Amino acid sequence: AQSVTQLGSHVSVSEGALVLLRCNYSSSVPPYLFWYVQYPNQGLQLLLKYTTGATLVKGINGFEAEFKKSETSFHLTKPSAHMSDAAEYFCAVTLYNFNKFYFGSGTKLNVKP
Amino acid sequence: GAVVSQHPSRVICKSGTSVKIECRSLDFQATTMFWYRQFPKQSLMLMATSNEGSKATYEQGVEKDKFLINHASLTLSTLTVTSAHPEDSSFYICSARWGEKLFFGSGTQLSVL
Repeated sequence: AQSVTQLGSHVSVSEGALVLLRCNYSSSVPPYLFWYVQYPNQGLQLLLKYTTGATLVKGINGFEAEFKKSETSFHLTKPSAHMSDAAEYFCAVTLYNFNKFYFGSGTKLNVKP
Repeated sequence: GAVVSQHPSRVICKSGTSVKIECRSLDFQATTMFWYRQFPKQSLMLMATSNEGSKATYEQGVEKDKFLINHASLTLSTLTVTSAHPEDSSFYICSARWGEKLFFGSGTQLSVL
């Protein structure tokens, strides 16, 4: 079975500071990993994904994530936070057949001016 | 980019009535659609997986007679909440799979009085 754990339900950073949102996964087979962002009362938008190949993946809005198999992690980072980054972020895992996506509990990012 | 349209965005209904939520993939054919339920400040809970032309696969603990899912075409899936109760009040989100990507509708806030 697959599962995702996001450490920290709330993260607060100052504008311009580094953003680090943590995601650890559990999977018996090589996983496909995703980060999504959700703004209030909206659906989710894909930020980035890892399936195969390069372990450092770049997404939209300056976000990137690195797949570390040894640490079973897929942390999301952004060098410099912007006020518009304030939202809730979800890490998700699926298998090669994309039959089911499992989401973490989410991390709400607050960006202080 | 691919667009998934979900309607209505908000619905208020009386207890005991049924509510239908539509999910359409506007510019691609989605062989698989997913329905999620999201409680306040929580993650998305997968309710069911819907494949075009076949019966939906429900997750454990989800009442299939209460949450009726119909995936009549490659671009439309519907979720009907039958005999709604106040505890059914929640944010429902659909998503459609296209290849390796999952696209989300904007969600439906259901309030049962």
